[in-house]
Amino acid sequence: GAVVSQHPSWVICKSGTSVKIECRSLDFQATTMFWYRQFPKQSLMLMATSNEGSKATYEQGVEKDKFLINHASLTLSTLTVTSAHPEDSSFYICSASLRTSGKRRSNEQFFGPGTRLTVL
Amino acid sequence: LAKTTQPISMDSYEGQEVNITCSHNNIATNDYITWYQQFPSQGPRFIIQGYKTKVTNEVASLFIPADRKSSTLSLPRVSLSDTAVYYCLVGDVRNQGGKLIFGQGTELSVKP
Repeated sequence: GAVVSQHPSWVICKSGTSVKIECRSLDFQATTMFWYRQFPKQSLMLMATSNEGSKATYEQGVEKDKFLINHASLTLSTLTVTSAHPEDSSFYICSASLRTSGKRRSNEQFFGPGTRLTVL
Repeated sequence: LAKTTQPISMDSYEGQEVNITCSHNNIATNDYITWYQQFPSQGPRFIIQGYKTKVTNEVASLFIPADRKSSTLSLPRVSLSDTAVYYCLVGDVRNQGGKLIFGQGTELSVKP
C-alpha cells in the first residue's frame, strides 16, 4: 500500500527555536497533504490542508505565521514550527491523499508515523 | 462535516468479538463511513470503509443500517494486539482531497 514517511520521528529543541518536520509520500503522488496535531490522550486535530504549489488552508485557531507549511512537490510537504514554546510540544502527524483517476475509496488518506516534538 | 459519537472506552477479552457503534445522525447522501485504528505514538491506520449495508475485509466487518445514521465496526476474535483507539469518520465520496475530522475515538482495551 501507499507509504508516508515523516522526518524526524522525534525532536527536542530549546524554547524560541524553529523546527522543521518533513512529510513524504514514498510511492505515490499526493494531491493533498494534511497536518494534524495530537496531545496526549486526545484525538487528532486538523491543523491545515496543503495542496502542491498553493498556499495552505489553515483551520480556525491555528496560527499560520507560527506553523509554516510548504508543499513544494507532489511528494513532499514540510511543517515548520517557528519560535517553538513548551506548549507546542505535541505529536505531529501528516497524511497524504492519493491522486487517482478511477474509482477508489473516498477520502482515503495515508498517515505518516508521526513526529514527537518536545520543547524545553 | 457530519459529527460522530462513539463510546469513549470499551473493554474486552482475547478471543471475543468486539462491536463498536458510531452515531452520525447528520450524515449526508454522499458521505462514506470510514474507520481508522491508532496505536500509541503512531499515525492512524485505515481499517474499513463502507456506504451502506455490510462490508467485510480480512480484519473487520462494518454494518450500516438503512438509515445510515449509525454504523458498527465488528472485530472478530480480538487479540491483545487489537488494543488501540478506533476512530469513526464520515466524508464526501466525491471529494478525494477532503479533510477528515476526527472525533474522540473509542479506546479499546483487550485483556488476556
